[in-house]
Amino acid sequence: GNSVTQMEGPVTLSEEAFLTINCTYTATGYPSLFWYVQYPGEGLQLLLKATKADDKGSNKGFEATYRKETTSFHLEKGSVQVSDSAVYFCALSGGADGLTFGKGTHLIIQP
Amino acid sequence: GAGVSQSPSNKVTEKGKDVELRCDPISGHTALYWYRQSLGQGLEFLIYFQGNSAPDKSGLPSDRFSAERTGGSVSTLTIQRTQQEDSAVYLCASSADYLQGAKAFFGQGTRLTVV
Repeated sequence: GNSVTQMEGPVTLSEEAFLTINCTYTATGYPSLFWYVQYPGEGLQLLLKATKADDKGSNKGFEATYRKETTSFHLEKGSVQVSDSAVYFCALSGGADGLTFGKGTHLIIQP
Repeated sequence: GAGVSQSPSNKVTEKGKDVELRCDPISGHTALYWYRQSLGQGLEFLIYFQGNSAPDKSGLPSDRFSAERTGGSVSTLTIQRTQQEDSAVYLCASSADYLQGAKAFFGQGTRLTVV
């Protein structure tokens, strides 16, 4: 079956640091890949997505590239802000049965 | 409403009692999903509805769990004879169509604590 593995936190960085959150997946076929973000006290929001190999999703300064050869979809941001503190979920969609999520990475950005 | 609404936001119940969780999806969204977010377990897919129909109920953790949706809108997730391992945040999401399942909008969840 499908599965998603992501680094577990908490990940603590200083403001303006470079961020990488690793995500790898196992899936049959050609899934779409996503990053969702959950800010404190809020529901999950779609951050970015990629639907085929070599696609790059980007939003709010975050980027992730769909790497089929390494089955990865690592999330990156060049300069993080305190407001980026949240829980980030990597996910894949293989069809109509919903999304398969990773366990989430808690990101803490210190001023 | 503008977003997915879940109620109650918090529920504390005694072991063995039944609980009912409610989800109001975004108006016009035909697909509705239930997930469970347990500590250290990430997000677990439970069930989805296309309209009022749930094609696959195999994701429900046990036969104590059931879900229904009426009028293509509100959905309820019922847990009978709650156990401590049922403690989790239960998230509901909706999307315009199940084929667009990834473009889902989430509610803030119901935090269930079984004591």
